[in-house]
Amino acid sequence: GENVEQHPSTLSVQEGDSAVIKCTYSDSASNYFPWYKQELGKRPQLIIDIRSNVGEKKDQRIAVTLNKTAKHFSLHITETQPEDSAVYFCAAGNSGGGADGLTFGKGTHLIIQP
Amino acid sequence: DTEVTQTPKHLVMGMTNKKSLKCEQHMGHRAMYWYKQKAKKPPELMFVYSYEKLSINESVPSRFSPECPNSSLLNLHLHALQPEDSALYLCASSQERTDEKLFFGSGTQLSVL
Repeated sequence: GENVEQHPSTLSVQEGDSAVIKCTYSDSASNYFPWYKQELGKRPQLIIDIRSNVGEKKDQRIAVTLNKTAKHFSLHITETQPEDSAVYFCAAGNSGGGADGLTFGKGTHLIIQP
Repeated sequence: DTEVTQTPKHLVMGMTNKKSLKCEQHMGHRAMYWYKQKAKKPPELMFVYSYEKLSINESVPSRFSPECPNSSLLNLHLHALQPEDSALYLCASSQERTDEKLFFGSGTQLSVL
C-alpha cells in the first residue's frame, strides 16, 4: 500500500516568514495530493489540493508543488500569520477511489512566533 | 449547508455499554467515511460508504458496526469497546467516492472506561 512520509514534525517560524512542509509518497499510482489543516480541538479542513497532472497550484498565501518523478510534494505558506498555527497533514490517494482511501502523513505542528 | 454534523460531541462509555455515533450531511454527497484519530496522530480510515453501500472495511474489529440508513446519514454502532478505542471519531463526506475534497465533521471525542 501507499506510504507517506512528512517532515518536519514540528516547525517554528517567525510571523511574516515563510514555512515549507515536505512529503514523499511511495505508490506511483497515487494521483491526488491534498493538504489538511487541523487547529487544536477542531476538525481537519482541506486547504489546498493538487492532482498529478499539475506541477504547482497556488491559492493566495498557500502553494503546493508536486514532483511526480521524485514522488514528493510540498506545502508553502508565505507571510505567515498567527492563525496559521495548526497541525498540517499531507495525504496521497487515487482519485478513482483507491481501495485504501487516502493515506495521511504523520503531521507537522506549525508554530508561528509573534 | 456545507457542514457535516456529528453527535454527540463527547461520549464516555463503559466496556459493556452499547452506544451509537451519528453523522449527517445535506450537501448531496454520495460518499461518507468514518475515521479514527488518536491524539497527535493522523486520521485513520475505518469505513467508507459509497451510494449507501459499504465499499471498504479496513479490518476494523467487529465491535464497531457502521450503518448508512440513507444518503445523508451515517451511524457507527459501538459495543464492548476497549480502553484503547478511546479516540476522536471523525465523519467525513465527499461528492463521490474519489476521496477528493473531504468535508470533516467536528468529531465525537470518545472515552472508554
